[in-house]
Amino acid sequence: NAGVTQTPKFQVLKTGQSMTLQCAQDMNHEYMSWYRQDPGMGLRLIHYSVGAGITDQGEVPNGYNVSRSTTEDFPLRLLSAAPSQTSVYFCASSTGTYNEQFFGPGTRLTVL
Amino acid sequence: GNSVTQMEGPVTLSEEAFLTINCTYTATGYLSLFWYVQYPGEGLQLLLKATKADDKGSNKGFEATYRKETTSFHLEKGSVQVSDSAVYFCALRGTSGTYKYIFGTGTRLKVLA
Repeated sequence: NAGVTQTPKFQVLKTGQSMTLQCAQDMNHEYMSWYRQDPGMGLRLIHYSVGAGITDQGEVPNGYNVSRSTTEDFPLRLLSAAPSQTSVYFCASSTGTYNEQFFGPGTRLTVL
Repeated sequence: GNSVTQMEGPVTLSEEAFLTINCTYTATGYLSLFWYVQYPGEGLQLLLKATKADDKGSNKGFEATYRKETTSFHLEKGSVQVSDSAVYFCALRGTSGTYKYIFGTGTRLKVLA
């Protein structure tokens, strides 16, 4: 099992550019989430999904889109990057209501 | 809404010292509580969890007890090692009907040899 994989590991964008952060898991988990991690703020939930075709907003969804066409993949799209989106992004997956989340290694994004 | 409050870091200890990282929460209903650890340059990984009141989670010498009466889930370790240096996150998931974990802001631990 590769677990949760994320690509790219690092990315630099210019303001206004768009891009997609990729996330995949091979554990057949129903639940997947995207978080951003900023200094002093812990992890904040951006979007999450409870299964293929079902997504919902988290705490900080503005500027981000997601879709879940398969169980394995949960890409995060930045439509028009802004410097405020400079952060480290983590994808996570879980099975069951109260089970632990498995995190990917993260993507460090810088928006200039 | 639900929230998690952790003690602020950084916490700096000498090797073999006793560690406590405080975590309190505000939430109602049935909860699961977690401690995650993040080593430098890596994602978070589960350290321990408790799924009902008075449960004690334990792993790698770390322990935490889900205390409903004080709404707390403090992390303890009797003798820390340099390899325990990391950021520790307290988290909860409730039964609000949505799949949402709430994380604390994290506490950085530095253990000196």
